[in-house]
Amino acid sequence: SQQGEEDPQALSIQEGENATMNCSYKTSINNLQWYRQNSGRGLVHLILIRSNEREKHSGRLRVTLDTSKKSSSLLITASRAADTASYFCATDAHDYKLSFGAGTTVTVRA
Amino acid sequence: EAGVAQSPRYKIIEKRQSVAFWCNPISGHATLYWYQQILGQGPKLLIQFQNNGVVDDSQLPKDRFSAERLKGVDSTLKIQPAKLEDSAVYLCASSPAPGEEKLFFGSGTQLSVL
Repeated sequence: SQQGEEDPQALSIQEGENATMNCSYKTSINNLQWYRQNSGRGLVHLILIRSNEREKHSGRLRVTLDTSKKSSSLLITASRAADTASYFCATDAHDYKLSFGAGTTVTVRA
Repeated sequence: EAGVAQSPRYKIIEKRQSVAFWCNPISGHATLYWYQQILGQGPKLLIQFQNNGVVDDSQLPKDRFSAERLKGVDSTLKIQPAKLEDSAVYLCASSPAPGEEKLFFGSGTQLSVL
């Protein structure tokens, strides 16, 4: 079963705008990860945040984690056409297996 | 560093036929995963290997799916016989060891069962 659920399912923004997507999960986790998948390709790891961390940055990406609410958010700042992709959150529930959500499809319009 | 290699890239078969997918993980990665991704969904773990031993195959439909990882390197996933609902992308991923957290994915094999 899938542990994480992303919201919204789809997002369309103008180039240069920020994109925010959320992930909710059900059980205690060791860490939460975000992956990107371009159409027809495999998943690429973006960022990992551990259960004892609240915020993490990587380039134009900002991830937050609220373990009390069992939720995470991914912010992409100053979006580009190349950011058009599906974004998945994945949780490691202390068993070294990642469970993926259904993803958020982001479209960046030029 | 070479990435995770998968073949074939695409496969079209009729229902009840058999099919096999191949994966070569990143050199030195002990842990290998097969995921099934149905259109519009996130990847679902089918089986996890640690070297050539199975760690978890609880989500693998064992009446029709089988997988092996000979010599702890490359792996083969087989479906026999295929059903319409097996149409999906089959993704292989690897990591240096369990608990190494970050997974490296191949580009996947897109299977269409007609």
